[in-house]
Amino acid sequence: EPEVTQTPSHQVTQMGQEVILRCVPISNHLYFYWYRQILGQKVEFLVSFYNNEISEKSEIFDDQFSVERPDGSNFTLKIRSTKLEDSAMYFCASSESTGRIQYFGAGTRLSVL
Amino acid sequence: RKEVEQDPGPFNVPEGATVAFNCTYSNSASQSFFWYRQDCRKEPKLLMSVYSSGNEDGRFTAQLNRASQYISLLIRDSKLSDSATYLCVVNRGYGGSQGNLIFGKGTKLSVKP
Repeated sequence: EPEVTQTPSHQVTQMGQEVILRCVPISNHLYFYWYRQILGQKVEFLVSFYNNEISEKSEIFDDQFSVERPDGSNFTLKIRSTKLEDSAMYFCASSESTGRIQYFGAGTRLSVL
Repeated sequence: RKEVEQDPGPFNVPEGATVAFNCTYSNSASQSFFWYRQDCRKEPKLLMSVYSSGNEDGRFTAQLNRASQYISLLIRDSKLSDSATYLCVVNRGYGGSQGNLIFGKGTKLSVKP
């Protein structure tokens, strides 16, 4: 069964450092998303991406965040200068089209020290 | 009113019990409705989509009432493996935001032998 894969599973970084979280969406999917979940809280939307550009972003997705599809398979989330409050589980998701079922990757646990 | 609101739980039930989860959503423009389940520190996994006509998948039945903006999930003959957090999920519903999912905080279910 096709799945969304994310690497690394756990990333530890120092405050102020840049991190790149990587995702390989399901191959025939056209819409890509990033969500985050702070421990004990609900899953929150960060950004959606279609046709090589951002479709929508939440107020969480400020100038410190960026997304990119550097090639035909990868979809990345970059945090330029990490803060303690960026510590969370980051989930990548993909769907065939907007409004359709989104399939989630296993997530990257980001720990900012 | 919160965008997606669920019973806080936890629900502790014996094996074989029937358990019902309720959810309300605030955005009348929402078009897509889902129940996901999330195991501890794992990714959300789709349990089922929810349609106005109601739908059933084995022991699971989901209902949607658009007029009341209310979604429900019924689990019959609960199993130990049903223990998880159940997430009510709604899309934002308009224009480019159709793909943006709004998650409830989830209701934790523990099924005991």
